[in-house]
Amino acid sequence: DGGITQSPKYLFRKEGQNVTLSCEQNLNHDAMYWYRQDPGQGLRLIYYSQIVNDFQKGDIAEGYSVSREKKESFPLTVTSAQKNPTAFYLCASAVQGLSHEQYFGPGTRLTVT
Amino acid sequence: AQKITQTQPGMFVQEKEAVTLDCTYDTSDQSYGLFWYKQPSSGEMIFLIYQGSYDEQNATEGRYSLNFQKARKSANLVISASQLGDSAMYFCAMREASGNTPLVFGKGTRLSVIA
Repeated sequence: DGGITQSPKYLFRKEGQNVTLSCEQNLNHDAMYWYRQDPGQGLRLIYYSQIVNDFQKGDIAEGYSVSREKKESFPLTVTSAQKNPTAFYLCASAVQGLSHEQYFGPGTRLTVT
Repeated sequence: AQKITQTQPGMFVQEKEAVTLDCTYDTSDQSYGLFWYKQPSSGEMIFLIYQGSYDEQNATEGRYSLNFQKARKSANLVISASQLGDSAMYFCAMREASGNTPLVFGKGTRLSVIA
């Protein structure tokens, strides 16, 4: 089955620790994205990548880092510099073209205490 | 810069009735795409419907239709014959011009279907 996997579904960390969220896709999509969702809010873009070994900052990139060494994988690291890391994180991918929707993974709910 | 506005934080609808979820957008591009997603309580994002800025017909997908009014910059989602399973958050999103630019999302509308 083609799709996007994110692991784990729930993640708990202590304040001051870096944590890496996994995102893998087998849809052969060029572009991948990371969004953050806070309760009752829309999705805000953290980082995106249109091609391997290249990525761009989104609206709220501070305190986050990414890598895109393989087409299938786009891990997100939440660093200790991120002031309010507790949130729901969604990874997505898409093919080229204006009309093509983004496919989303199931999300990772990160809680930092 | 592109912007999506959803002015209804929450909506209630009776089962089997139709409901319209509002979405207005702002862009200076002539070429853009508009999308609607559904997010149930499980958190997954489900794509519902797409409308291109040059499409002359309003998009339809089963019980979903998009009321596209270009001059007013609105792209309202109409759900006909509401079902209990339609209870969810609904997000309007847009992409400007070229290919793989990310979708920009509105803040969403929480729809509750009442039996």
